[in-house]
Amino acid sequence: DAKTTQPNSMESNEEEPVHLPCNHSTISGTDYIHWYRQLPSQGPEYVIHGLTSNVNNRMASLAIAEDRKSSTLILHRATLRDAAVYYCILRDYQGGSEKLVFGKGTKLTVNP
Amino acid sequence: ETGVTQTPRHLVMGMTNKKSLKCEQHLGHNAMYWYKQSAKKPLELMFVYSLEERVENNSVPSRFSPECPNSSHLFLHLHTLQPEDSALYLCASSPASGGFYTGELFFGEGSRLTVL
Repeated sequence: DAKTTQPNSMESNEEEPVHLPCNHSTISGTDYIHWYRQLPSQGPEYVIHGLTSNVNNRMASLAIAEDRKSSTLILHRATLRDAAVYYCILRDYQGGSEKLVFGKGTKLTVNP
Repeated sequence: ETGVTQTPRHLVMGMTNKKSLKCEQHLGHNAMYWYKQSAKKPLELMFVYSLEERVENNSVPSRFSPECPNSSHLFLHLHTLQPEDSALYLCASSPASGGFYTGELFFGEGSRLTVL
């Protein structure tokens, strides 16, 4: 599985935008970029995924670099409930099952 | 509420006990997974079942024995565990890809296991 690199931790203030970076320099042409987050005492939760184009959904936006070697998860207005560990994961869509390999992620702290 | 339910939420067992963790999903998914999350370590994929067949076993010790009797249920049978097996065990499910990739795993809240 291709590797991703994320900062160990980041801090933000409530109601401000948050940009969570992820480097994936060994990404292959068929790898999708996924983001999950894990709130305290809960299982991981899907946030967003994309392949080449930027993606938006109700939770976040995903900005993918033109060479696909990096991406950024954007939370437009952070709330206290967004405090979690955010995981950036690559997944080859040719696989027969949805096998995702998690790294250590970025622990996001949101200050009131 | 993700639609994936794990029981029990907490389990304490001795090293000689036999216990089982249960996972249930009613999302119509055909793939189910067990992950292990130890303190200060990333989630580790343990087993993958697709259409009730085991398709992945990530070198998990035989003291962990999975069972998938149907597409809605997944069990993890535990016997003669070690204290280092204490962790959060997470179950997840996803639709069968069938050539169309959905990109989403649905996780349960996990079963917190303590081995004494």
